[in-house]
Amino acid sequence: DTAVSQTPKYLVTQMGNDKSIKCEQNLGHDTMYWYKQDSKKFLKIMFSYNNKELIINETVPNRFSPKSPDKAHLNLHINSLELGDSAVYFCASSPGQGWDGQYFGPGTRLTVT
Amino acid sequence: SQQGEEDPQALSIQEGENATMNCSYKTSINNLQWYRQNSGRGLVHLILIRSNEREKHSGRLRVTLDTSKKSSSLLITASRAADTASYFCVPGGGNKLTFGTGTQLKVEL
Repeated sequence: DTAVSQTPKYLVTQMGNDKSIKCEQNLGHDTMYWYKQDSKKFLKIMFSYNNKELIINETVPNRFSPKSPDKAHLNLHINSLELGDSAVYFCASSPGQGWDGQYFGPGTRLTVT
Repeated sequence: SQQGEEDPQALSIQEGENATMNCSYKTSINNLQWYRQNSGRGLVHLILIRSNEREKHSGRLRVTLDTSKKSSSLLITASRAADTASYFCVPGGGNKLTFGTGTQLKVEL
């Protein structure tokens, strides 16, 4: 009965490859997010979707493309992976616009070699 | 949300002791949230305090908010080894959370 789940948990891949990370929430929330936590542990928002519509798109390279097939899923596709993409990626969800807190997934550790 | 500044950056205590960490922020807020992140894991929403509240409790957690000083504190009483984690304050909430560097708490047996 995991609330926010992500797959895979670990991903090791070579530069130039294309990869996807999947996120699902079973909380019935309207809004989902992707965050990136770099090696210095700073956690920064990348994207947010509300009812399948993009509402936040931070300064992220266009190699990153989120896709929300339905309200419960928000996937992150990354093209032409670079070394600097190595990080932990967290998915989160919230009811409404997040004023009552966000619920985070366990993270996906991406290593680009 | 805006980025909060947690202090201290790191804190090491013995099990059973209380741990206090502070947060300061710059502009007026509607609410302030505290999150915990265990090593290598996702963040867990601990508690939210609204701007019209001074203090809030949740289990062993006590949060205070002083809007005049633009500061908040998180007190963990009777700490346990499992409380070892990074703690982040997020002033303002909303759909665009901004996290600082957090307070790294270590609870030793």
